Amino acid sequence: QSALTQPASVSGSPGQSITISCTGTSSDVGGYNYVSWYQQHPGKAPKLMIYDVSNRPSGVSNRFSGSKSGNTASLTISGLQAEDEADYYCSSYTSSSTPYVFGTGTKVTVL
Amino acid sequence: QITLKESGPTLVKPTQTLTLTCTFSGFSLSTSGVGVGWIRQPPGKALEWLALIYWDDDKRYSPSLKSRLTITKDTSKNQVVLTMTNMDPVDTATYYCAHSLGDYWGQGTLVTVSS
Repeated sequence: QSALTQPASVSGSPGQSITISCTGTSSDVGGYNYVSWYQQHPGKAPKLMIYDVSNRPSGVSNRFSGSKSGNTASLTISGLQAEDEADYYCSSYTSSSTPYVFGTGTKVTVL
Repeated sequence: QITLKESGPTLVKPTQTLTLTCTFSGFSLSTSGVGVGWIRQPPGKALEWLALIYWDDDKRYSPSLKSRLTITKDTSKNQVVLTMTNMDPVDTATYYCAHSLGDYWGQGTLVTVSS
């Protein structure tokens, strides 16, 4: 089971919007609407930011949004803030035995 | 309020077996659809799903680690136990347990494999 592919790093200035991609296959991202996004600050446990492609859990800022096209899912952070600087991971349900797979992770830097 | 907490040794020797316990509250593993999973993260590296157990005792494992992993549950104690055999230094990581929906995670426990 191969990890989903994410860019290693993305950066932006405060107030800007950035988008993180998550590329898989038809056996995971493309085959199911079960893509999640997690935010992880150093030394902390991951925090769920988006589930089922585009849904936000209660308490998550509406600056975070998710979408999917084919085998690629995306997380967009609008109005970038210093507190958004963290690592971000996507995760997808997969037809393998796992049954979930994570992405390779993206470090977001706020310039 | 849902909480999960991992417990187990912080240091294991190569070839030993690691046993980790996840103790949770605020939900029941006898409720239909509910599951608890284990995820690990080597220092500075990405997250990796290890195993998942559901309310009906359905168990899923990472294909690459399946031969070394066993996941079990004790519904009466609200615990899920993960065992990993033949530990190696490359297994050094923070090990997390999480609700199967990914919405609740434990704080994680760092396990170091060294002689």
